[in-house]
Amino acid sequence: ETGVTQTPRHLVMGMTNKKSLKCEQHLGHNAMYWYKQSAKKPLELMFVYNFKEQTENNSVPSRFSPECPNSSHLFLHLHTLQPEDSALYLCASRPSGGLPDTQYFGPGTRLTVL
Amino acid sequence: AQTVTQSQPEMSVQEAETVTLSCTYDTSESDYYLFWYKQPPSRQMILVIRQEAYKQQNATENRFSVNFQKAAKSFSLKISDSQLGDAAMYFCAYTQLMRFGAGTRLTVKP
Repeated sequence: ETGVTQTPRHLVMGMTNKKSLKCEQHLGHNAMYWYKQSAKKPLELMFVYNFKEQTENNSVPSRFSPECPNSSHLFLHLHTLQPEDSALYLCASRPSGGLPDTQYFGPGTRLTVL
Repeated sequence: AQTVTQSQPEMSVQEAETVTLSCTYDTSESDYYLFWYKQPPSRQMILVIRQEAYKQQNATENRFSVNFQKAAKSFSLKISDSQLGDAAMYFCAYTQLMRFGAGTRLTVKP
């Protein structure tokens, strides 16, 4: 248990659905991240938030919409996804400031887009 | 752009033996961190070991140690006395936006 939780753990959705992924951390961190992990590919950084402000959008399609209402919660809103968006979505957090230090990961949400 | 390369998609080791996983990276930065993360079949990624680039001494955590060659931009992970619980995907990562390698799947044979 790393103090970062993600819900749901599994999600199956159609291409016309709208769903949201939730991440919560209880570590007092101020930086939160969304990653996409596809089979046989490196982990892809999607979004970075520092103190609730988005500081990085790694050219992610607009069908993925992040939201960070406070430093403990991070959402990823999904709409009109494509089958190639099926992947494991990982959330991570770390303390802000200085060189980027160790990240703490959640267990991930396994997303399947039909 | 910074890249991280893990040239071994899969590795296998006998229980109690030693195995080394390779990682190279590309950067123009002089100060940074390097990490090895482990992702067991349950999928939760956990930190194995980290190295600060300005430190010449190689990091060690119990059975895990690194061979950090800054000039060669090489950062290998050595696992000694391998255990069945070491079986997992291992990812090398470089800070400044956390670039990850593609991973090495380690199998431990009893």
